[in-house]
Amino acid sequence: AQSVAQPEDQVNVAEGNPLTVKCTYSVSGNPYLFWYVQYPNRGLQFLLKYITGDNLVKGSYGFEAEFNKSQTSFHLKKPSALVSDSALYFCALRIGYSSASKIIFGSGTRLSIRP
Amino acid sequence: EPEVTQTPSHQVTQMGQEVILRCVPISNHLYFYWYRQILGQKVEFLVSFYNNEISEKSEIFDDQFSVERPDGSNFTLKIRSTKLEDSAMYFCASSDREAPTGANVLTFGAGSRLTVL
Repeated sequence: AQSVAQPEDQVNVAEGNPLTVKCTYSVSGNPYLFWYVQYPNRGLQFLLKYITGDNLVKGSYGFEAEFNKSQTSFHLKKPSALVSDSALYFCALRIGYSSASKIIFGSGTRLSIRP
Repeated sequence: EPEVTQTPSHQVTQMGQEVILRCVPISNHLYFYWYRQILGQKVEFLVSFYNNEISEKSEIFDDQFSVERPDGSNFTLKIRSTKLEDSAMYFCASSDREAPTGANVLTFGAGSRLTVL
């Protein structure tokens, strides 16, 4: 079955430290992978995507993600966390080859950055 | 920056009543979606819509649900007879096709909170 998983419900990091939010996927064919962020009482906002090419993808707000085909992972990273990065993060996977194909989301990881 | 607009922001209804949630997608977008999120947790796909018809729908999207794009700008989700378990935040999203890969990025609205009593 095609799926996306986020194994951690919560990640706690001190400000200034590097952060990693984990995501693994299962798909037949090449994956189209995304990260979105949700701030309280807001809709989801796009951060970055992997379609093809370089395994390290750079996105908004200093975030980047590393695609690893052998480990079927797409972990979100940032070298130095900010308190304002505290939010709910979702990994997403497009199921299918058409632009109209559905995009499914992982269960979300709450990132908490302490000052 | 263009945005997706959703109304109402919060609706309270009695079980069994019909509810219509409205969305105005970004004007040049081609693909439209509804998702729901219960208690700020998992975001669940409901339906995708393209070229005036449903492209895909989930098992959640049963006969009680329907979508319409009645006038070329609005995109609505109707729940015919609401149940308690329909209480959730409903998000509308739209996207354009990104050439050449076709990888579409979703732009979400702020959501409509539905409370069924």
